[in-house]
Amino acid sequence: EDQVTQSPEALRLQEGESSSLNCSYTVSGLRGLFWYRQDPGKGPEFLFTLYSAGEEKEKERLKATLTKKESFLHITAPKPEDSATYLCAVILTSGTYKYIFGTGTRLKVLA
Amino acid sequence: GAGVSQTPSNKVTEKGKYVELRCDPISGHTALYWYRQSLGQGPEFLIYFQGTGAADDSGLPNDRFFAVRPEGSVSTLKIQRTERGDSAVYLCASSPLGAEETQYFGPGTRLLVL
Repeated sequence: EDQVTQSPEALRLQEGESSSLNCSYTVSGLRGLFWYRQDPGKGPEFLFTLYSAGEEKEKERLKATLTKKESFLHITAPKPEDSATYLCAVILTSGTYKYIFGTGTRLKVLA
Repeated sequence: GAGVSQTPSNKVTEKGKYVELRCDPISGHTALYWYRQSLGQGPEFLIYFQGTGAADDSGLPNDRFFAVRPEGSVSTLKIQRTERGDSAVYLCASSPLGAEETQYFGPGTRLLVL
């Protein structure tokens, strides 16, 4: 069964304390992996798309990487405004248009 | 420009009633998705439209759920004989051309079935 698992479920960091969020996937074939940020009461907001192992993308304090089994979202020197739930999602090669989302990591950055 | 909008923002209904949830995608976007998100969970795929047609409806949980997009822009998700388990946030997303592109999400409709 195709599956996406995110860890940890929740993470509390001090401002400036760098860390990484993990998204591991077990799928029949990966067409793309997406990272989103979701604030309470809002829809997810797109961050990155990764298509092949070894690919990396960066935006401000965030960097996403992809291997054949997992993706990491690295947060460097986070600020309180980075507090949100971070979701990853995959789309498969199997002819379906279905996205499979993980349950997310709830990040809280303390000032 | 305007983002994806969804109406109503909140809907409270009684068990057994019929509800319609509306999504206005970004103008010109041909791809449209519906998702359902329960508290503490990630979005769960329901249906994908490419233009006017449902290209993948494999996520609709049962035949009480139906969605249309008659003119290739606005979409309506229809739920018949609502059940308490249907309570969730229903999200809509659109993208310019196809399924592999960045999806732009709306704020969601919070449905509560009493």
